[in-house]
Amino acid sequence: QSVLSQPPSASGTPGQRVSISCSGTSSNIGTNTVTWYQQLPGTAPKALIFSNNQPSSGLPDRISGSKSGTSASLAISGLQSEDEGDYYCASWDDSLNGVVFGGGTKLTVL
Amino acid sequence: QVQLVQSGAELRKPGASVKLSCKASGYTFTSYYIHWVRQAPGQGLEWVGIINPNSGRADYSQTFQGRVTLTRDTSTSTVYMELSSLRSDDAALYFCARGQGARASYYIYWGQGTLVTVSP
Repeated sequence: QSVLSQPPSASGTPGQRVSISCSGTSSNIGTNTVTWYQQLPGTAPKALIFSNNQPSSGLPDRISGSKSGTSASLAISGLQSEDEGDYYCASWDDSLNGVVFGGGTKLTVL
Repeated sequence: QVQLVQSGAELRKPGASVKLSCKASGYTFTSYYIHWVRQAPGQGLEWVGIINPNSGRADYSQTFQGRVTLTRDTSTSTVYMELSSLRSDDAALYFCARGQGARASYYIYWGQGTLVTVSP
């Protein structure tokens, strides 16, 4: 059971817009910033978004992040086949005194 | 360029200990925290702990309290993670990652991962 809650799966067709949610509490997302990662099979996660909505270097502007209260969201527009993979949200948790992750969302491009 | 190079795969029996390494290069070793994150087969990411390479101070996830120890060797720019009393559910891919701050969840640089197998 992950501290941050994400839907286990999401899907869309090429060109569509998809959104992945991440729900937390006041001790993590409500107080600290959110990072989003993409992970492809057999590789280390790659940071996409940091500080809730700041894009990592080289990130296409069709990928964006947002945060409101104790929830965050990752949006991908103009969906492409290369966007397939597992997506994780992460945040520092003041109560646990450590980083907490979401359970991950598997994105499928139909 | 920044690199984190981890040691090779390990096979241990239940109850044993394992010590993994993460050698940093391409930046000032003592300027950035190193975090450890693990991923069991087919599962999500789980934070293990953090070490300040400058002071040597480490903090750990409550899940691993008492079983995990992070240390560093500044002469070789290497961080070590030792996990004891191994159980079958400790079998995972263990990553080190460079944190952008003490309370950071943002890791730009990751090691390639070390696979730990726990089997009788």
